Amino acid sequence: GEDVEQSLFLSVREGDSSVINCTYTDSSSTYLYWYKQEPGAGLQLLTYIFSNMDMKQDQRLTVLLNKKDKHLSLRIADTQTGDSAIYFCAEKKGRGSTLGRLYFGRGTQLTVWP
Amino acid sequence: EPEVTQTPSHQVTQMGQEVILRCVPISNHLYFYWYRQILGQKVEFLVSFYNNEISEKSEIFDDQFSVERPDGSNFTLKIRSTKLEDSAMYFCASRVGAGESDTQYFGPGTRLTVL
Repeated sequence: GEDVEQSLFLSVREGDSSVINCTYTDSSSTYLYWYKQEPGAGLQLLTYIFSNMDMKQDQRLTVLLNKKDKHLSLRIADTQTGDSAIYFCAEKKGRGSTLGRLYFGRGTQLTVWP
Repeated sequence: EPEVTQTPSHQVTQMGQEVILRCVPISNHLYFYWYRQILGQKVEFLVSFYNNEISEKSEIFDDQFSVERPDGSNFTLKIRSTKLEDSAMYFCASRVGAGESDTQYFGPGTRLTVL
């Protein structure tokens, strides 16, 4: 099966909160990341969380990690049209650490309507 | 703020031709990576490189692929004889060290189109 899974699409209205979900399979994952990809652009690191944390907040972004369920979420408060992009969840596995190889999900296309 | 840069932004080539994709990692970074993203699919790891040698490669990185750090700044990915299925966005990434907290910074990508 897939290492990292995400839903493909999410639409929200401007000003609402967005929640993008991700599940992963490797319980030994050490770090989990959220990257943002705008049209025609590369992967911009948004935030990351270490596996011994439950939550991390950074301005409008809140990352929640449920290690028991291997579930990661990214909440964007007060979503703006400029937040429209593809959001990728990625994990760095711990077992036999391979110098940082990342495993990505397929990405969630977030569309923000004015 | 330092960035990973990649050239060209778009490369079009004929099937069977060799291509070289170029990357300039962030200057004090020691670990380098190539990933690719076929349109509509997930970003996939190709290879990692440290201390002038390959650290790990995926099953995608077959004998048609090679990487090189020819000087102190560039990191290249060569595809010897391109196939149609090599068409993808290729991302270079770099990381400062091997600490668990060290994150990878990605370049803007090179879109490779094989005709």
